[in-house]
Amino acid sequence: IAGITQAPTSQILAAGRRMTLRCTQDMRHNAMYWYRQDLGLGLRLIHYSNTAGTTGKGEVPDGYSVSRANTDDFPLTLASAVPSQTSVYFCASSDSALTDTQYFGPGTRLTVL
Amino acid sequence: GQNIDQPTEMTATEGAIVQINCTYQTSGFNGLFWYQQHAGEAPTFLSYNVLDGLEEKGRFSSFLSRSKGYSYLLLKELQMKDSASYLCAVRLDDYKLSFGAGTTVTVRA
Repeated sequence: IAGITQAPTSQILAAGRRMTLRCTQDMRHNAMYWYRQDLGLGLRLIHYSNTAGTTGKGEVPDGYSVSRANTDDFPLTLASAVPSQTSVYFCASSDSALTDTQYFGPGTRLTVL
Repeated sequence: GQNIDQPTEMTATEGAIVQINCTYQTSGFNGLFWYQQHAGEAPTFLSYNVLDGLEEKGRFSSFLSRSKGYSYLLLKELQMKDSASYLCAVRLDDYKLSFGAGTTVTVRA
């Protein structure tokens, strides 16, 4: 069982380009999350989905969009990347949005030049 | 905004005990999590407290005082592999997690 996979592992991107970070889980968890982690700031929630077909905005949603067409996949799209979006991005999932522990994927290191 | 404070760095000797404190002032409280994160890796779940008191899991223990807005993670019999960042996270009223910036623990031989 893989748990949560993310792709790519790392990426260097020119400013202004569009980029989709992929996240797939095989645990049939209902809730999924996207965080970014920056030095000194900790993990910050970008977007979340409590169940397939629904999404919501987190603490830092600007410049990002998500979709949740099915239970397993939760892609994060940067429509027009900017250097301030250079970060490590973690996808997470939990069985229930209300009560359960979140489990994290291995992360994507994104550099926007 | 949410305020979750933990020390930036701590250093301890192999075999010793280290206590990582976390204080929080948040919009609501539905439990507190501790995660471990090795450099370049994903955070992994260590412990969860929702009621006051001590939860023990092997060499790791976590304590919570809701009235004081305070938690600590206690690492006993430190091993080199315990060198990592430890993240304190509060589950808020909307059930989302708010994370502290993390405490980097370095274990020296």
